[in-house]
Amino acid sequence: GENVEQHPSTLSVQEGDSAVIKCTYSDSASNYFPWYKQELGKRPQLIIDIRSNVGEKKDQRIAVTLNKTAKHFSLHITETQPEDSAVYFCAASRGGTALIFGKGTTLSVSS
Amino acid sequence: DTGVSQNPRHKITKRGQNVTFRCDPISEHNRLYWYRQTLGQGPEFLTYFQNEAQLEKSRLLSDRFSAERPKGSFSTLEIQRTEQGDSAMYLCASSLGTSGGKETQYFGPGTRLLVL
Repeated sequence: GENVEQHPSTLSVQEGDSAVIKCTYSDSASNYFPWYKQELGKRPQLIIDIRSNVGEKKDQRIAVTLNKTAKHFSLHITETQPEDSAVYFCAASRGGTALIFGKGTTLSVSS
Repeated sequence: DTGVSQNPRHKITKRGQNVTFRCDPISEHNRLYWYRQTLGQGPEFLTYFQNEAQLEKSRLLSDRFSAERPKGSFSTLEIQRTEQGDSAMYLCASSLGTSGGKETQYFGPGTRLLVL
């Protein structure tokens, strides 16, 4: 079955710096890759997603890149702000089926 | 609120008791998913439904767990003979379909279970 590895497990940056989180997946049939942000005690919230027919997608300060050959995808957050502090999860699936999540990255943005 | 809702939000029970959780998906979403999340981990898939049909169950889902979606709308997850290891956050999610943007899963607030 699918396995998703996520790195790093913790990431500390200064406000205004960029943050990059990387994930690898094992199932070459996976075609949908969302990223969720989860604040303490809250539900996971989708922040961006990418499908296998696209190599890159951007939404304001957030971007995701996908390399299907290497089976890895990355989240890039630019101009980080304290409110970006949270746990970020990557996931992979064959669209519409079970999401397989990474173990999460705790991002801390200090002002 | 038109998002995914879950009840109860918190449940404390004694080992060996049965518990049942309910999930109401976003209206018109035909896919409904259950996940379990323990502290410091990502959500782990348990099972999902297309309308009333249960399409996939994880190996994590022991025979003490059963899920239903009888009319293709709300779903229930029952845990029989609870064990301390069942303590976790149980998350429900729903999606509109399988592709073209419809596969986005929206999560509910979860039910936090504590087994004493």
